[in-house]
Amino acid sequence: GAVVSQHPSRVICKSGTSVKIECRSLDFQATTMFWYRQFPKQSLMLMATSNEGSKATYEQGVEKDKFLINHASLTLSTLTVTSAHPEDSSFYICSPTGATNEKLFFGSGTQLSVL
Amino acid sequence: DAKTTQPPSMDCAEGRAANLPCNHSTISGNEYVYWYRQIHSQGPQYIIHGLKNNETNEMASLIITEDRKSSTLILPHATLRDTAVYYCIVRFDSGGYQKVTFGTGTKLQVIP
Repeated sequence: GAVVSQHPSRVICKSGTSVKIECRSLDFQATTMFWYRQFPKQSLMLMATSNEGSKATYEQGVEKDKFLINHASLTLSTLTVTSAHPEDSSFYICSPTGATNEKLFFGSGTQLSVL
Repeated sequence: DAKTTQPPSMDCAEGRAANLPCNHSTISGNEYVYWYRQIHSQGPQYIIHGLKNNETNEMASLIITEDRKSSTLILPHATLRDTAVYYCIVRFDSGGYQKVTFGTGTKLQVIP
């Protein structure tokens, strides 16, 4: 199966700082990247969808200026949580997909804790 | 976009078949049904997917009703390691545009 690398797996930061999460597809070209957020005991909630080289499309209620998504290449996408606050503490998961992928692939997730 | 609904939890005895239902009554003709599972604080793991026909692989079977408004994931012989949250997902993929909708998930507890 395809390999997805997401890091860091866990990050603790102070309120007001920015945190960058990287997601790489190691053996396929990810033309589309989904970013999810998951709160404890809840399902994955789609935050945004990005296509390589294009601006991301954000779901309703997700602030695009707070959650910056860069998808500049077919193997790398980043999510930057700017000016993080305790309410941003969550489990963030990336899901890269290519044009020929039948399956959906997911990163191992990043647990963000904002103090 | 299709929305999926699942029971929040289920128990299953070890060695017995686990049957997990999912309703997707608003699914459109070109949306696929996927099943994934998630163990605490990990990324979702692929199980199986299908469009219209029933599917079987080494992990599970997927039964989709003829009207495609619901499906059932079957784990034929549940083990303790199958304890996880199981998500029913609908995926739309057309001409480079994709939409993925997660269900609320069913927490399956396999009991010894």
